[in-house]
Amino acid sequence: EIVLTQSPGTLSLSPGERATLSCRASQSVTNNYLAWYQQKPGQAPRLLIYGASTRATGFPDRFSGSGSGTDFTLTISRLEPEDFAVYYCQRYGSSPPHTFGQGTKLEIK
Amino acid sequence: EVQLVESGGGLVQPGGSLRLSCAASGFTFSTYWMSWVRQPPGKGLEWVANVKEDGSANYYVDSVNGRFTISRDNAKNSLYLQMNSLRAEDTAVYYCARDAGVPSLDSWGQGTLVIVSS
Repeated sequence: EIVLTQSPGTLSLSPGERATLSCRASQSVTNNYLAWYQQKPGQAPRLLIYGASTRATGFPDRFSGSGSGTDFTLTISRLEPEDFAVYYCQRYGSSPPHTFGQGTKLEIK
Repeated sequence: EVQLVESGGGLVQPGGSLRLSCAASGFTFSTYWMSWVRQPPGKGLEWVANVKEDGSANYYVDSVNGRFTISRDNAKNSLYLQMNSLRAEDTAVYYCARDAGVPSLDSWGQGTLVIVSS
């Protein structure tokens, strides 16, 4: 069973800075079926990136996804106050169909 | 606009049962796989189960296999999760989510809280 490991667990940055979040898979992710979600306190997760690099509707271009195989990255080029949240990576495949990473909390420094 | 609204959560004793529902609107429900995802208080996301468009296939995470049953009624645009033999570790907010073809979980409800405690 594939395991997704996100790092760091917590990232403390200031508005305007660049954020780099990592997601590493224990096995290669088929067809780069890797997604990222943003979750704010008290809210449901929201799809941010799919197919490793395609931004979902409603998110600005300061958010970008990259990577392939086992190593994936979510980059936020210049942090805005509303970007501070928890971010999860998720892979689609088989056994089980969906697997989530443990999350990275992006907090204001 | 896609809307998913969960209901049926609450407090239940260990060993008890609960049935969650998710009412879908704003899209053609019968053409999408649907999933349940849970989140224990203060913890991360765990995918629980999904069901094919016509209900003919489903998959479960190992920890609920044999205890939970996912189903759907396309005539009512509704998704269900029957949870039996509940344990304390099943305590979580349960979300229903649409399995997009991209693939990913592209729409989520607001969740319903299940607490398993005596």
